Amino acid sequence: AQSVTQLGSHVSVSEGALVLLRCNYSSSVPPYLFWYVQYPNQGLQLLLKYTTGATLVKGINGFEAEFKKSETSFHLTKPSAHMSDAAEYFCAVSVGSGTYKYIFGTGTRLKVLA
Amino acid sequence: DAGITQSPRYKITETGRQVTLMCHQTWSHSYMFWYRQDLGHGLRLIYYSAAADITDKGEVPDGYVVSRSKTENFPLTLESATRSQTSVYFCASSLSGGASTDTQYFGPGTRLTVL
Repeated sequence: AQSVTQLGSHVSVSEGALVLLRCNYSSSVPPYLFWYVQYPNQGLQLLLKYTTGATLVKGINGFEAEFKKSETSFHLTKPSAHMSDAAEYFCAVSVGSGTYKYIFGTGTRLKVLA
Repeated sequence: DAGITQSPRYKITETGRQVTLMCHQTWSHSYMFWYRQDLGHGLRLIYYSAAADITDKGEVPDGYVVSRSKTENFPLTLESATRSQTSVYFCASSLSGGASTDTQYFGPGTRLTVL
């Protein structure tokens, strides 16, 4: 069965520092992976997604993620954190046939320190 | 472009009462989904719908009922609310849902408290 594990429910970084949010997946078939961001009191917004092809995926707001099949990982990074990046981040894998459903990780709350 | 909206945004109710959460999308997306978000669990799928009059259970369907008489609306009903249903509920839609790469678009959520 497919699953997603996000390591670290809370991550704090200083403004300008590297952001690294970890996501590992388990899938018996080639996975399709997504990162979503949730700002306070808002719905989820797609940051980026991996389908096929290039393993380094660039998303909005300067975020990117690299699909590493050998490590079953899809970590999210941003070279320089900004105060506006403070939010909760969810990794998800698309599963199923017919209707593709998401399996979400438990989320990582990012805090950016001035 | 309104996108996907949910109402109410906040709701307080009592145990045993019936509650209906509304979801409306203006994109004519075929697929719609209901999730609940709980601390430590992330988002879990309650029900989904592939088209009008076609619905199916997700991971945690017990205690919930859905209907979809029109493509743009997907109401979620708690027939007899329980405290364990206190949560934040998100509606989402996608163009097809039959493609594994299809993006789901989320509404702003409804925060439900059951006393």
